[in-house]
Amino acid sequence: AQSVTQLDSQVPVFEEAPVELRCNYSSSVSVYLFWYVQYPNQGLQLLLKYLSGSTLVESINGFEAEFNKSQTSFHLRKPSVHISDTAEYFCAVRPLSGYSTLTFGKGTMLLVSP
Amino acid sequence: KAGVTQTPRYLIKTRGQQVTLSCSPISGHRSVSWYQQTPGQGLQFLFEYFSETQRNKGNFPGRFSGRQFSNSRSEMNVSTLELGDSALYLCASSPSKTSGGHNEQFFGPGTRLTVL
Repeated sequence: AQSVTQLDSQVPVFEEAPVELRCNYSSSVSVYLFWYVQYPNQGLQLLLKYLSGSTLVESINGFEAEFNKSQTSFHLRKPSVHISDTAEYFCAVRPLSGYSTLTFGKGTMLLVSP
Repeated sequence: KAGVTQTPRYLIKTRGQQVTLSCSPISGHRSVSWYQQTPGQGLQFLFEYFSETQRNKGNFPGRFSGRQFSNSRSEMNVSTLELGDSALYLCASSPSKTSGGHNEQFFGPGTRLTVL
């Protein structure tokens, strides 16, 4: 079984400041890792994913996440946030093989203010 | 390609009633998964269908059921509604041509169910 812990339920930050959203996971098998974003009244959109290779993955809108196997973490970072980044962010894992589903963390609400 | 669509977007029911939610996956996608999202429990997996067969099931009571049609469209049904069933129900589709967790899931906008 897998579990995902997002340590912060809410992260307030000022515009143009850097931000880190923390994600730790637990799993008895190897997993793929994902970050999803949910804007108000919308479904989830995939932000970025780690499948293999370089442990640093980037999204098209400036977010990046680094897979750390020894610390079982997949923290999400952005060097300079915008008001439009205000949303809820979910970390998720999924086993490498089989038809297992996504296991999500409880989410972190990123609140960007001017 | 059109995205995942869910109907209706909003629904209000009373306790004891039953409800059916619909999901149309992205064209060509054969796997459909359902999730329940609540403020307290977060996102919880309900079930997954592939080629009209339930392939995976989460830890929900039997009041929650689903099915998939030959065109990959899926419905989920909740019978004998309880107040705690109020939630956003999300559907996700995946191409799932092969096994493996790398298959990306594409989410619909959800159906907001309110039980009074």
